[in-house]
Amino acid sequence: SSELTQDPAVSVALGQTVRITCQGDSLRNYYASWYQQKPGQAPVLVIYAKNNRPSGIPDRFSGSSSGNTASLTITGAQAEDEADYYCNSRDNSGDLSVVFGGGTKLTVL
Amino acid sequence: QLQLQESGPGLVKPSETLSLSCTVSGGSISSSSFYWGWIRQPPGKGLEWIGTIYYSGSTYYNPSLKSRVTISVDTSMNQFSLKLSSVTAADTAVYYCARHKYDFWSGYADYWGQGALVTVSS
Repeated sequence: SSELTQDPAVSVALGQTVRITCQGDSLRNYYASWYQQKPGQAPVLVIYAKNNRPSGIPDRFSGSSSGNTASLTITGAQAEDEADYYCNSRDNSGDLSVVFGGGTKLTVL
Repeated sequence: QLQLQESGPGLVKPSETLSLSCTVSGGSISSSSFYWGWIRQPPGKGLEWIGTIYYSGSTYYNPSLKSRVTISVDTSMNQFSLKLSSVTAADTAVYYCARHKYDFWSGYADYWGQGALVTVSS
């Protein structure tokens, strides 16, 4: 099955822009989606299918992709954005299997 | 507003079968637009996709768990369930049920339950 690789930790100064990346072969064929998870809470979908925001997600969250790398960008990071972020995509198996990245811990300084 | 709620034993003995159910409210599990699945998270670790089911009963499983996993659906109860056999301590995790949506280019979970902690211990 496919694997998605994320940096374990990233930090950003309050109000600045940060990019969280996700790499994997499946991203050459499928779009990434992104989830935010705060301690003790269930993950929340923040970007789906490359660059679509669910209702209620601030527009400072955006997604992009190039080749085997997908990115989640937070423009003007807020203190409440400090969380773990996970990417996912469909697996390269061709069925409806899904794979998650290992997660990135975002610290807002 | 769609809601998903996991239920089941919080403690399972090694070698036994873990069983969880997910009750869906605020929407029909028989919708043709969605799949329903399970994702788990060991303490302090990342998310692991377990599998997904369509209301018709079609299933897709994580290859690493496939030999031990069964996901089933009960449309009359608007519920779907997870069974994981021959559990070990490595199966200790928070288990989430989630609605899945797929298209040709993507697959993602847009609504999640709050999660249920299952501990494997004698």
